Formats: sequence, C-alpha cells, structure tokens
Amino acid sequence: NAGVTQTPKFRILKIGQSMTLQCTQDMNHNYMYWYRQDPGMGLKLIYYSVGAGITDKGEVPNGYNVSRSTTEDFPLRLELAAPSQTSVYFCATGESSYEQYFGPGTRLTVT
Amino acid sequence: AQKVTQAQTEISVVEKEDVTLDCVYETRDTTYYLFWYKQPPSGELVFLIRRNSFDEQNEISGRYSWNFQKSTSSFNFTITASQVVDSAVYFCALSERGNSGGYQKVTFGIGTKLQVIP
Repeated sequence: NAGVTQTPKFRILKIGQSMTLQCTQDMNHNYMYWYRQDPGMGLKLIYYSVGAGITDKGEVPNGYNVSRSTTEDFPLRLELAAPSQTSVYFCATGESSYEQYFGPGTRLTVT
Repeated sequence: AQKVTQAQTEISVVEKEDVTLDCVYETRDTTYYLFWYKQPPSGELVFLIRRNSFDEQNEISGRYSWNFQKSTSSFNFTITASQVVDSAVYFCALSERGNSGGYQKVTFGIGTKLQVIP
C-alpha cells in the first residue's frame, strides 16, 4: 500500500498561474484534508471532505478550490497563484476522530 | 485567542534529560479529540497519540507520556531520557465537530521545536 501520495513534490509558479496539487490515497478512508504549513508555523486547514461529492471549507480556503469525485482522489486547485500561497501543502486522510495519515507534502513557491 | 497554544517555540535539552512540551487548548465543545504529531527534519508528519475528551487517564508509551487535564485545558507531552532522534517539531492538535458531521475541524498549534544535544 502506498498510503497517501502527493504530486508534484516541488513546484515553482509565476504569479497568476494556475495549478492542481494531486492527492491520492489507497486506504479507503472517507475523510480527506488539505493543509498548508508556512515556515515556522503549524498547519492550517484549507479544505476537507467527508466523502465523495462532499467538501467543506476549513480555516483558510480563499484562493483554493477542491473536488472529490472519487474516494481515492482529492485534488487542490490554485487558480491565480499569489506569493502568499508559497507554502508546503500536506494532504491527509483519516476516519473521523481517528488519527490522520499525512502525505509527504508538496513544496510550492510562487514568484 | 488561539485555540491551541504551544507557548514553547523552541526547547534545547541535553541527551538523557527529561523534557515536557506544553499544550493548552480552547473549545466550547464537550466532545473533542486531542492529538500530538511529530515532524522530524525530514518533514513528514507522524502521529503519536489521540485522546478523547472523556478519557483523562494519563498514557505512557515507552519513553513518551501524556498528561491530559480538562480542568486546566492542557494536554502535555513528556519525553523521558531524551535522545538525539527525538529532535523534531512537535505539534499539538484539537479536533472538534465540523459542519459535515464527524470531527474534521482540526486546529494545530504552531509547534515546539525540540533540539536534543548529544
């Protein structure tokens, strides 16, 4: 089992460009999450999903969009990249109140 | 006010010393969950422990122990006889009920960076 995979590992974007961060899990978990971690800070929840077709905003959703068409995939879309979105993005899966399993992260730089 | 406060941003200890990482949380829910995660220099996040709000028993796992006190809204983490491999950033997190049911409303503290000096 691969667990939680994220692609790409690294990306540099120019201001105004768009991109999609991919997250795939093979643990059959219903819950999936996207976090961002700014340097020296904790994780902030961007969006989460409790199952296919259901998504909800977290603490910092502005500038991002998500979709959940399957149990396995939970892509995060940046439409108009801004320098403030420079961060490390973590995808996680879990079952409700249980521990979350994190992917390895995507390091994004917007210049 | 922060929902999860980790007041110690950085701690340095000499190997074999004991160290306690503090976590204070704030919630109006009566049912919630608390977690500790470890982030070593390699960057991945590793789950350490989960506690629900109704279980105030302290827990010990090897050199790790956790002290949950609802009366003071604290969930502190102690490493006994610290080792260099314990050097990492440790995050405390609070999970509350979200809009979609379940406990997806997760708030992390800013983390405590622990450096264990050989």
